[in-house]
Amino acid sequence: QKEVEQDPGPLSVPEGAIVSLNCTYSNSAFQYFMWYRQYSRKGPELLMYTYSSGNKEDGRFTAQVDKSSKYISLFIRDSQPSDSATYLCAMEDDYGGATNKLIFGTGTLLAVQP
Amino acid sequence: DSGVTQTPKHLITATGQRVTLRCSPRSGDLSVYWYQQSLDQGLQFLIQYYNGEERAKGNILERFSAQQFPDLHSELNLSSLELGDSALYFCASSVEVGGTEAFFGQGTRLTVV
Repeated sequence: QKEVEQDPGPLSVPEGAIVSLNCTYSNSAFQYFMWYRQYSRKGPELLMYTYSSGNKEDGRFTAQVDKSSKYISLFIRDSQPSDSATYLCAMEDDYGGATNKLIFGTGTLLAVQP
Repeated sequence: DSGVTQTPKHLITATGQRVTLRCSPRSGDLSVYWYQQSLDQGLQFLIQYYNGEERAKGNILERFSAQQFPDLHSELNLSSLELGDSALYFCASSVEVGGTEAFFGQGTRLTVV
């Protein structure tokens, strides 16, 4: 079993829809949770990060972390064709900086149809 | 533009050869990370350097090595290349030791033929 599971999609939605992207994980030591967006043939771009449980909002994007269920989500409101990309969740444990590797999900390919 | 520069963008080489990938981190960033992205494995952490010293290691093959120089640029050396090493190799950098706010370069696409 992978430490981080993410539905690869593809997910196709009409413009203006609310998009929900999700990851589950197995390592309860994870404390930092991140969402990256990756356009085709480009490097991943950090969208948001959250420490521990709770919600975080940034414009049209909302990240949610439920540590009790080991489940994280990214919601995109009023989705636009420019949001079409692969969305990667990533996690990091928090051993005082002793380990610093990000564990990534495999990514969900999102297509927003105009 | 993330501010992280990777060269070359593309590399085609034969099996058994050795290549060097180069990364210049964002100005002021002390941590450099190397990741491998393949279709079947996704993004895999290889190794991290912080201010010139190795800080964390992932599933990096013994045929692969890296270093970070005094000017903080980093190189990833891949030797005895195999077909399965074909992938996108990304470098990321961050100010702190933790990779929470790591910024990725555009990657080097390595094709081994």
